[in-house]
Amino acid sequence: EDQVTQSPEALRLQEGESSSLNCSYTVSGLRGLFWYRQDPGKGPEFLFTLYSAGEEKEKERLKATLTKKESFLHITAPKPEDSATYLCAVLSNSGYALNFGKGTSLLVTP
Amino acid sequence: SQTIHQWPATLVQPVGSPLSLECTVEGTSNPNLYWYRQAAGRGLQLLFYSVGIGQISSEVPQNLSASRPQDRQFILSSKKLLLSDSGFYLCAGTGSPYEQYFGPGTRLTVT
Repeated sequence: EDQVTQSPEALRLQEGESSSLNCSYTVSGLRGLFWYRQDPGKGPEFLFTLYSAGEEKEKERLKATLTKKESFLHITAPKPEDSATYLCAVLSNSGYALNFGKGTSLLVTP
Repeated sequence: SQTIHQWPATLVQPVGSPLSLECTVEGTSNPNLYWYRQAAGRGLQLLFYSVGIGQISSEVPQNLSASRPQDRQFILSSKKLLLSDSGFYLCAGTGSPYEQYFGPGTRLTVT
């Protein structure tokens, strides 16, 4: 059974303090790993898709990387507006369902 | 780009009452469509997905059903709500090739 585990569950950073969020996965034949950002009371917002080990994607202060067992979301010099829950998901073998982790709740303080 | 619309945004319903949540998609044709439920501390759980009109796949047995009467319309229903049906319901559609884009969600409280 596909499993996605995110750590830490919660992270508090000072503005400008860079850090990384982890997403470890067990899936037979990765077909895609996805990162989303979710603000309270809203639907998840798509950030990145990674398909193969070694792949990297960047968007503003965020950079996602992928290995054969895990993915990292690096946040460089975060700002308070980066505060949100970050969700990781893998595409199931069916090619339709996304299996989500429980997310990392990030708080960036001024 | 595609846009997912959901309504209502919030809903409070008594136990035993029926439910109908609607989702429509703009900006793409023949999308795969999904209903998820998000409960506190449990993450996003896939409930149903559809690859075309009238085609529904259920991921978990439950008190809910889904229908897709038109290409860009996806409906989540229940005949009799349970307390355990409370949660945040999200509709999603596929972009390219597998990325799923989510709507704003419906917060359902069953009392």
